[in-house]
Amino acid sequence: GQQLNQSPQSMFIQEGEDVSMNCTSSSIFNTWLWYKQEPGEGPVLLIALYKAGELTSNGRLTAQFGITRKDSFLNISASIPSDVGIYFCAGQLNNAGNMLTFGGGTRLMVKP
Amino acid sequence: ETGVTQSPTHLIKTRGQQVTLRCSSQSGHNTVSWYQQALGQGPQFIFQYYREEENGRGNFPPRFSGLQFPNYSSELNVNALELDDSALYLCASSPGQGATGELFFGEGSRLTVL
Repeated sequence: GQQLNQSPQSMFIQEGEDVSMNCTSSSIFNTWLWYKQEPGEGPVLLIALYKAGELTSNGRLTAQFGITRKDSFLNISASIPSDVGIYFCAGQLNNAGNMLTFGGGTRLMVKP
Repeated sequence: ETGVTQSPTHLIKTRGQQVTLRCSSQSGHNTVSWYQQALGQGPQFIFQYYREEENGRGNFPPRFSGLQFPNYSSELNVNALELDDSALYLCASSPGQGATGELFFGEGSRLTVL
């Protein structure tokens, strides 16, 4: 089946640093999404990307849909302690409804 | 807060038992999907319900079944529990059949199978 490979698996950074994480797939997706999960919570949508090459921002977050449709990256600028959590990429195919394929996650830790 | 509520939040079962997990979708959302999240992994799609019918299923055996009710709430049932069923079970709702991939997740039900 389809698999999404996320890297890095974990990051431990200093507050104020920029962060970059990415996600690659062996097959194409029509939609890429980035979710964040905090302890004891379900994932929360951060950014959704619908077109190859699309670059979208949400505050300090920027994500891009790769032109091959097999990858996506997420950048966080000027990290703050509340950015701590696990970031998941997810891919969706057309007509797949709510069937998302999730990556394994990137655990982000921020040192104040 | 997403408006999706799940119960129970935690439960412990033994191998071979059966479990029912419940989910109330966000107001106005008519599609509910269930995901299994094993420790340290990303969520895996189990199935989706729309208009009280299952209309999408992931790679899970038939002992995983569900229901959706007229008020769009949903249940996940797992029979003949196995140790590997220990996981966080997430319910997600969306308006329509998920054309955008934008899901609203509950906080999950953590199942431990001994």
